[in-house]
Amino acid sequence: QVQLQESGPGLVKPSQTLSLTCTVSGGSISSGSYYWSWIRQPAGKGLEWIGRIYTSGSTNYNPSLKSRVTISVDTSKNQFSLKLSSVTAADTAVYYCASAAFADAFDIWGQGTMVTVSS
Amino acid sequence: QSALTQPASVSGSPGQSITISCTGTSSDVGGYNYVSWYQQHPGKAPKLMIYEVSNRPSGVPDRFSGSKSGNTASLTISGLQAEDEADYYCSSYTSSSTSVFGTGTKVTVL
Repeated sequence: QVQLQESGPGLVKPSQTLSLTCTVSGGSISSGSYYWSWIRQPAGKGLEWIGRIYTSGSTNYNPSLKSRVTISVDTSKNQFSLKLSSVTAADTAVYYCASAAFADAFDIWGQGTMVTVSS
Repeated sequence: QSALTQPASVSGSPGQSITISCTGTSSDVGGYNYVSWYQQHPGKAPKLMIYEVSNRPSGVPDRFSGSKSGNTASLTISGLQAEDEADYYCSSYTSSSTSVFGTGTKVTVL
């Protein structure tokens, strides 16, 4: 059973780059049947899809974040990562990594990690 | 991309049925059968309840069902139970090869 675990700094200063990693356990990130996404949720608000990466390395990003987002994969470590540049307080949220094996359905989620943007 | 539109709240008594709508456009909900529904309890990660409009993953009670008509998808919970009280989100694949979530609906069991 595949499991996901987010990790990274809980506090980031404004204008800096937010960097998070999602570690995949119980399966290979290179499995052709999955793709890997980042999703965030500000406190008391709804879910926002950030982007996805396929095992091929190709990516899709939310147009509203595209200029600031990079998602990459490290198959040797069975991890994928999120970088969000030039952060502001509006980027404060719980960040989830998730996987989809079919039909764009996020069937496996990490527990989420809270990131606060503050000086 | 704009979030899919859901009612902010829906409520019902135990045993009743409720339906949550999720309205998008022909570029997302109306154009693909890749509509999913998620249940989220406070402080927890979302859980997949419905995929491909109307399919239930293993372990999800058959009280949960999904459908779609045009640009609007719906989630119905029959025989409402106390543990169904949670936030619910729809999501859809889009013509831009992205994903988009709904605004979320708080379900209250009276």
